[in-house]
Amino acid sequence: GENVEQHPSTLSVQEGDSAVIKCTYSDSASNYFPWYKQELGKGPQLIIDIRSNVGEKKDQRIAVTLNKTAKHFSLHITETQPEDSAVYFCAAGEDYGQNFVFGPGTRLSVLP
Amino acid sequence: KAGVTQTPRYLIKTRGQQVTLSCSPISGHRSVSWYQQTPGQGLQFLFEYFSETQRNKGNFPGRFSGRQFSNSRSEMNVSTLELGDSALYLCASGQGGNEQFFGPGTRLTVL
Repeated sequence: GENVEQHPSTLSVQEGDSAVIKCTYSDSASNYFPWYKQELGKGPQLIIDIRSNVGEKKDQRIAVTLNKTAKHFSLHITETQPEDSAVYFCAAGEDYGQNFVFGPGTRLSVLP
Repeated sequence: KAGVTQTPRYLIKTRGQQVTLSCSPISGHRSVSWYQQTPGQGLQFLFEYFSETQRNKGNFPGRFSGRQFSNSRSEMNVSTLELGDSALYLCASGQGGNEQFFGPGTRLTVL
């Protein structure tokens, strides 16, 4: 079955700096890769996603890149703000449905 | 549009009991999935329902079951509770594709 690894497990950056979180997956059948942000006491919130026919996707300060050959994808957050502090999860899934395998999470702290 | 709602938000049970958790999806969404979140195992997929049919199932024992009603609301049941079932149980809804929206979760504590 699918296995998703995520690094680093914790990340501290200064406000205004960039943050990068990397994930690898094992199943070449996976073709949908979402990223979620989870704040304390809340459920995960979808922040960006990418499909395997696209190499990069950007939404304001957030971007995701995918290298299908190497089976890895990354989340890039630029100009970080204190409100970006949260746990971020990557996930991998197939064409339809919600049967995702999640990475273990990265706790991002943005220091003012 | 209202988000995904889960009830109850907190629950305390003892070993051997059973529990039923409820999830109301976003209006118009026909797919509901359930996840278990623990510090040790992270986020793990339990099952997904679409139009009242179980579409996918994760690797959990038969003590974990679910169902979906005609109005897309879903319930999850855990029988013969064990200490290791203590977790945050998350429900997510979607329109049938990949995109899903999570509720706030139900925190289950088994004593």
